[in-house]
Amino acid sequence: QQQVKQSPQSLIVQKGGISIINCAYENTAFDYFPWYQQFPGKGPALLIAIRPDVSEKKEGRFTISFNKSAKQFSLHIMDSQPGDSATYFCAASVDSGGGADGLTFGKGTHLIIQP
Amino acid sequence: DSGVTQTPKHLITATGQRVTLRCSPRSGDLSVYWYQQSLDQGLQFLIQYYNGEERAKGNILERFSAQQFPDLHSELNLSSLELGDSALYFCASNTGTGGEQYFGPGTRLTVT
Repeated sequence: QQQVKQSPQSLIVQKGGISIINCAYENTAFDYFPWYQQFPGKGPALLIAIRPDVSEKKEGRFTISFNKSAKQFSLHIMDSQPGDSATYFCAASVDSGGGADGLTFGKGTHLIIQP
Repeated sequence: DSGVTQTPKHLITATGQRVTLRCSPRSGDLSVYWYQQSLDQGLQFLIQYYNGEERAKGNILERFSAQQFPDLHSELNLSSLELGDSALYFCASNTGTGGEQYFGPGTRLTVT
């Protein structure tokens, strides 16, 4: 059972455009939603994260939009640059208060920014 | 650089063998998580330790085990290895009180 569904699987965006990646979750107990960026041969790097008490969070060119009723969240990358070309993973977990449990990841989106 | 270190970077071994992967968390972090990344299964949570105690279990096989030592480094032991165990193994760490997990560079395991 895939608890976090991510789409699209791959995405090509022109330089300067907006990249949008979507995720949907099933487990209503999830209360922490991070996005990770991974380059080939490297470990995932935390980009930005949100909790369900807010509907949007912005850090630089990266924005998370969160829709609790629809159980969906998305990553927007504004003014996309070739250096943003990477694989992006959404994830979710239950933050039990004593520290988040293991993350449940989406399958990843391979993003290519064309110059 | 996340501050999480993992050794070795690469490991090649044969089916049926046993290997140990090592992880040192960021300075000050008490919690260590282990993940497996493969092409067919994606990134999967295996197990979590907090200050030496097992806290949560994910999709970890019975052939796999882990522990966290008093100095907070952690080891993941994989035994009776099969071809399908070939994957990238990551550890991540955090303070144990917040959500953010910081990943190490990973160990690439190849079972031949």
